[in-house]
Amino acid sequence: SAVISQKPSRDICQRGTSLTIQCQVDSQVTMMFWYRQQPGQSLTLIATANQGSEATYESGFVIDKFPISRPNLTFSTLTVSNMSPEDSSIYLCSVIGPGGSGEKLFFGSGTQLSVL
Amino acid sequence: AQKITQTQPGMFVQEKEAVTLDCTYDTSDQSYGLFWYKQPSSGEMIFLIYQGSYDEQNATEGRYSLNFQKARKSANLVISASQLGDSAMYFCAMREVTFSGGYNKLIFGAGTRLAVHP
Repeated sequence: SAVISQKPSRDICQRGTSLTIQCQVDSQVTMMFWYRQQPGQSLTLIATANQGSEATYESGFVIDKFPISRPNLTFSTLTVSNMSPEDSSIYLCSVIGPGGSGEKLFFGSGTQLSVL
Repeated sequence: AQKITQTQPGMFVQEKEAVTLDCTYDTSDQSYGLFWYKQPSSGEMIFLIYQGSYDEQNATEGRYSLNFQKARKSANLVISASQLGDSAMYFCAMREVTFSGGYNKLIFGAGTRLAVHP
């Protein structure tokens, strides 16, 4: 399975500020996915990040609010910009498993964000 | 549109007993994948089991098995010999299969919270 390190694991932020979440994978992967899980809710895909191209955003999510970088095949960042209390969620990065486990999506440990 | 339905917001089970978590799905695709994930209170998402739509046999992974009934569009998770550490949220998910760029988007159900009692 892929080992995914995500940081910070949690943060408490003031409204109007921005937070960048980092996701590091122990193997090269083509696609990385960023999900949001609002309190008591299921997971919703924010965007897909491919190395060397612009991220593809899902309906309801825009680049100005959630800019994503993907500088290489093992790393990505998600920034939550101009935060409001509605952005309080768990943010998770995900990758498709390497090699024979390509059907499986593995997740990082998540970033629990609270916005005051 | 594809949809995943988990009708049990909460389930209880006695330790060492088996429990079934329900999941139904709706899709017009012929090729798809079904997943179950476990989310403990720590928030991480732990992959449990996968079933491909063309797999003829039900998937099994240790104490986890997936009861796949394609005609009924159900993919129930069976946990045998429940342990206290199984207490968590469980999410059923489905993967869209698109062949333009190999995009593997997961759609998640609302989840079922399982509590294992001693």
